[in-house]
Amino acid sequence: KQEVTQIPAALSVPEGENLVLNCSFTDSAIYNLQWFRQDPGKGLTSLLLIQSSQREQTSGRLNASLDKSSGRSTLYIAASQPGDSATYLCAVSSSYNNNDMRFGAGTRLTVKP
Amino acid sequence: DAGVIQSPRHEVTEMGQEVTLRCKPISGHDYLFWYRQTMMRGLELLIYFNNNVPIDDSGMPEDRFSAKMPNASFSTLKIQPSEPRDSAVYFCASSFWGWTTGELFFGEGSRLTVL
Repeated sequence: KQEVTQIPAALSVPEGENLVLNCSFTDSAIYNLQWFRQDPGKGLTSLLLIQSSQREQTSGRLNASLDKSSGRSTLYIAASQPGDSATYLCAVSSSYNNNDMRFGAGTRLTVKP
Repeated sequence: DAGVIQSPRHEVTEMGQEVTLRCKPISGHDYLFWYRQTMMRGLELLIYFNNNVPIDDSGMPEDRFSAKMPNASFSTLKIQPSEPRDSAVYFCASSFWGWTTGELFFGEGSRLTVL
């Protein structure tokens, strides 16, 4: 069974810092990996989706990388802002059933002004 | 499009009562997912539909849980009878051509409290 782990569970940084969030998964037979953002009391918003054949995806200040063989992904946030404060979750889908998506517990990010 | 719409946003009920959660997916999306989120277990997939047909309900915790999708624009998740351990946030999500071909769009969730 796929296990998805996100470290750290919480992170607090001053505004302007570059930061990296980590996601690891136990089964490398994935179809793709997706990073989401969740604000308190809200649903999840998709940030980046990386297909298993890709190494990275970029959107604005966000860059997500994927190393399928080592079971790792990172989400890099450049020049962090207070508005980036949220919980970030990664999710992986199985190559056996691409609708079988497993979520990590998330990293709660606080960016201090 | 208004996005995935869920109702009610909050529901407080007593143990033993029937609870019905509703979801309207994004128009044109052919997959619909029901998730449950708790502090202890995180996000769990309960069931998903493709073109209104239930495909995988292996995540449904017990027979007390049931889900229907009578048409492409409406789905319900019902709990009968409800128990305190069912307290959680229930999310509906939809996608087009399956989750992997594009983004998965989530609703705002329905926060259920069973007393």
